[in-house]
Amino acid sequence: SYVLTQPPSVSVAPGKTARITCGGNNIGSKSVHWYQQKPGQAPVLVIYYDSDRPSGIPERFSGSNSGNTATLTISRVEAGDEADYYCQVWDSSSDRVVFGGGTKLTVL
Amino acid sequence: EVQLLESGGGLVQPGGSLRLSCAASGFTFSSYAMSWVRQAPGKGLEWVSAISGSGGSTYYADSVKGRFTISRDNSKNTLYLQMNSLRAEDTAVYYCAKVGAGYCTGGVCHLGAFDIWGQGTMVTVSS
Repeated sequence: SYVLTQPPSVSVAPGKTARITCGGNNIGSKSVHWYQQKPGQAPVLVIYYDSDRPSGIPERFSGSNSGNTATLTISRVEAGDEADYYCQVWDSSSDRVVFGGGTKLTVL
Repeated sequence: EVQLLESGGGLVQPGGSLRLSCAASGFTFSSYAMSWVRQAPGKGLEWVSAISGSGGSTYYADSVKGRFTISRDNSKNTLYLQMNSLRAEDTAVYYCAKVGAGYCTGGVCHLGAFDIWGQGTMVTVSS
């Protein structure tokens, strides 16, 4: 089965840029979606189809996907960005949805 | 306003059954695939099941296949998850999610992103 690998944690100072990676075999050939989840809340879609932003999501959030790594980039990080972030793909070879293990973003 | 409201969670003994419901509003329910995603306490997100807009196609995670059944009633704008033979490891918050636009290419269709989520309902399997 297809596996997505995320670092368990990423730390960044306010105002700096955070990059959260999502690794998978030839993930560049798949469409990657990213979700933000704050404690006690439901997940929120922040990036879909690799790099598109839903309405209401700040332009500070961007995404890229190539080769074996997809990346969620958060520019000018704010305290309110502190959350768990999950990547997700649709594995068409098995007709299954796959989530990464999640990355906890800490704003120092 | 687009809304999803789950219900039906609770405490159930191992081997028991439970049916979750998800009432949708604010969008044309029958036009969109829907999905269930769960999250065990302190753990990450785990996809459970998905269903096409018409209900004609269903998909399941290996961990629940044969025990859980996803269905929908488009006349009632409601999504369901029938859970049988429940195990302790099924304990989790269960979220329903609306699936955004997917696409098909080369004869292969791809599910879209989960663009709207409910607040979740807790299922506890314990004796």
